[in-house]
Amino acid sequence: EVQLLESGGGLVQPGGSLRLSCAASGFTFSNYAMTWVRQAPGKGLEWVSAISGRGDSTSYADSVKGRFTISRDNSKNTLSLQMNSLRAEDTAVYYCASHMTSVTTPFDYWGQGTLVTVSS
Amino acid sequence: QSALTQPPSASGSPGQSVTISCTGTSSDVGGYNYVSWYQQHPGKAPKLMIYEVSKRPSGVPDRFSGSKSGNTASLTVSGLQAEDEADYYCSSYAGSNNFYVFGTGTKVTVL
Repeated sequence: EVQLLESGGGLVQPGGSLRLSCAASGFTFSNYAMTWVRQAPGKGLEWVSAISGRGDSTSYADSVKGRFTISRDNSKNTLSLQMNSLRAEDTAVYYCASHMTSVTTPFDYWGQGTLVTVSS
Repeated sequence: QSALTQPPSASGSPGQSVTISCTGTSSDVGGYNYVSWYQQHPGKAPKLMIYEVSKRPSGVPDRFSGSKSGNTASLTVSGLQAEDEADYYCSSYAGSNNFYVFGTGTKVTVL
């Protein structure tokens, strides 16, 4: 059974940093691209960042480019999102999701999400 | 990258059909056959319902169907059931620079 479990969310002050993790199990992690999607309270979904299966290709939404860094450790089946220079508008539930195969394919498995709150 | 446009709400009685539209541009919906639809119940993670415009993942009832014409994609839910009441989001691949864009979301109510 595919499982994705996010962790690392919490309350952080504006300008601060946070690192999210996503532990994957139940599939051959390195064979699949991974993505982060976020959802602000009461709002819609927003794609944040994606990484290829080998980790050699990454992409970011304009809203987080230069502030967030996606990475993966295929030896530990773990996806990460390093978030720096956080702003109030980054407050959201962050989901990790696996692509069906490559980064051009949709997201077929999702974690339960982890809440990030940016506030003073 | 602007969000794809969906109607805020749609509704139907049990057994009826409801269709949700998703309007983008030639840079996303119209440019690729990579439109997906996700269902999200309150407090839950989204679930993939349709991919590549009209394909259903294993386990998704055939009451759910998708189509596309030009820059507008559509999701139809036939034979509405109480458990279909949820938020629905479309999504499209938008190229190597912007990658993915989601729709604004539609709340489906089963009357």
